[in-house]
Amino acid sequence: QKEVEQNSGPLSVPEGAIASLNCTYSDRGSQSFFWYRQYSGKSPELIMSIYSNGDKEDGRFTAQLNKASQYVSLLIRDSQPSDSATYLCAVTANAGKSTFGDGTTLTVKP
Amino acid sequence: DTAVSQTPKYLVTQMGNDKSIKCEQNLGHDTMYWYKQDSKKFLKIMFSYNNKELIINETVPNRFSPKSPDKAHLNLHINSLELGDSAVYFCASSQYRGENEKLFFGSGTQLSVL
Repeated sequence: QKEVEQNSGPLSVPEGAIASLNCTYSDRGSQSFFWYRQYSGKSPELIMSIYSNGDKEDGRFTAQLNKASQYVSLLIRDSQPSDSATYLCAVTANAGKSTFGDGTTLTVKP
Repeated sequence: DTAVSQTPKYLVTQMGNDKSIKCEQNLGHDTMYWYKQDSKKFLKIMFSYNNKELIINETVPNRFSPKSPDKAHLNLHINSLELGDSAVYFCASSQYRGENEKLFFGSGTQLSVL
């Protein structure tokens, strides 16, 4: 079993729709959860972090965490073509090592 | 004013050669990393240094040797390059380790071994 798993994608949504990206993790001791966005040919960029159960909103982005289910998600509302990228879920335990999922590639069609 | 810069951006070389990648960060962070991203976009940590001290050394062939002359610099030297070493190598830095480890990545070095 992979330590961090993401829905394999690719995911395609029409412009203006909600994109839902999912991630599960295996280490129950995980403390911190991050979403990075990576445009093609570019480096990953941190867009959201979440540490406690529930929702965290930042503009059009909402991160959701459920530690009991070992599940974290990212919702993108009013998706734009500029949101088209690969989204990487990262999980960190106290040891300070971020473990990444394989990424989900999102395409937002105009 | 680039936060994390690494050079070169592209590296094309023959099997068996030795090459180095350099990384510098001007964010004042104490922790620096090397990550490897394969063709399927999987990002895997290789090494981590905290204030010049090696703290994470994943299962990486000993042909890969990191060096941190000071906390703002972390270089990666690779001996006897193999075809399987072809990937994008990212340097990253973080202000904190542990649960608040937010990573800032350099632009990456695309290594192609022929």
